[in-house]
Amino acid sequence: ELKVEQNPLFLSMQEGKNYTIYCNYSTTSDRLYWYRQDPGKSLESLFVLLSNGAVKQEGRLMASLDTKARLSTLHITAAVHDLSATYFCAGGSSNFGNEKLTFGTGTRLTIIP
Amino acid sequence: EAGVTQSPTHLIKTRGQQVTLRCSPISGHTSVYWYQQALGLGLQFLLWYDEGEERNRGNFPPRFSGRQFPNYSSELNVNALELEDSALYLCASSPGTRPGDTQYFGPGTRLTVL
Repeated sequence: ELKVEQNPLFLSMQEGKNYTIYCNYSTTSDRLYWYRQDPGKSLESLFVLLSNGAVKQEGRLMASLDTKARLSTLHITAAVHDLSATYFCAGGSSNFGNEKLTFGTGTRLTIIP
Repeated sequence: EAGVTQSPTHLIKTRGQQVTLRCSPISGHTSVYWYQQALGLGLQFLLWYDEGEERNRGNFPPRFSGRQFPNYSSELNVNALELEDSALYLCASSPGTRPGDTQYFGPGTRLTVL
């Protein structure tokens, strides 16, 4: 069964700084997702990573996937207050058409002015 | 294009009661997923429906059940409510289950069991 671990759980960082959130998963996963959740809101899809070495960027966020290390990272560049949210990674477990997402615990990111 | 919609937004029930939550997927999406986000337990997969059939379920007791209608909307039923069922219930839809088919989430139904 797929297990997904995220760290750190909590992250406070100053505006303008860079930081990385790490997502490790336990078994082969053929897709890795990153989502954002604002307090009291639903999940917003950020990235889908499908292959080893995949890198996707949107604004100040960049996600990458290393399937050999079973590791995905979400890198934040020059953080701004608007990026404060909880970020989840999720692994896809697809087997003969079965599909479900296994989520990490989430990283609550607070950007301090 | 309308996103995933869920109703009701909030619900308060007492132990032992039954509840039905509803979800309408994005137009053209055939797969509907239900997740539970309980405090301290994170997001957990509940059920997956595709083309009207239950395809997979998570580690939840049988009192959690649901169905998918011909128009691909879905209901989640929870019988004999327990206090620990208090959570945000999220519905998601996807166009299929191919790699890259993202699951898009609705706003959720917050269930409080007293």
